[in-house]
Amino acid sequence: EAQVTQNPRYLITVTGKKLTVTCSQNMNHEYMSWYRQDPGLGLRQIYYSMNVEVTDKGDVPEGYKVSRKEKRNFPLILESPSPNQTSLYFCASSLSWVNKNIQYFGAGTRLSVL
Amino acid sequence: DQQVKQNSPSLSVQEGRISILNCDYTNSMFDYFLWYKKYPAEGPTFLISISSIKDKNEDGRFTVFLNKSAKHLSLHIVPSQPGDSAVYFCAASDEGGSQGNLIFGKGTKLSVKP
Repeated sequence: EAQVTQNPRYLITVTGKKLTVTCSQNMNHEYMSWYRQDPGLGLRQIYYSMNVEVTDKGDVPEGYKVSRKEKRNFPLILESPSPNQTSLYFCASSLSWVNKNIQYFGAGTRLSVL
Repeated sequence: DQQVKQNSPSLSVQEGRISILNCDYTNSMFDYFLWYKKYPAEGPTFLISISSIKDKNEDGRFTVFLNKSAKHLSLHIVPSQPGDSAVYFCAASDEGGSQGNLIFGKGTKLSVKP
């Protein structure tokens, strides 16, 4: 089954404790992206990747890092999480940069930073 | 400043009637528009899209209308069904731009009453 898988689905952590949210897709998609969803703000893009070893900032990249060492995986790294990063996070992928508008989303990761 | 606006946070409609969800945008460079649908505890899924060269696109019960002069688009669902109850996100992109990432609205929660 074609899918985007995020782990974990739920995470509670404390300020400053590094964490990684994994994202994997099995569709051989070139384009991958991370979003956060906050009440009253909709979905905002954090980082995106057009292909392996090619990443770029989205609209709200501060406090986040990403890597794209292989095509299927696009982990989101929070080196020193803070309470304002409490949010619902979505990973998404699409076939290529040309098709980036039609994205397949994971089920989301709900993160709470205390 | 919000470039994609969904001014109605919620909408309630009777089963069998028409649902009309509205979206306004401010960036005249946007040339591709999409609607995504999101159920609780799931990621958004692509529903329907429209290019700026068209003013209407239809897919079964779903029709999107684009009024470029008014910078307005709408999603019509006819007839509405209880399974359509979800949050609907409007999104836009500048296809010709160097970045061209999707910009999402805040979403409208549609409730279809049986």
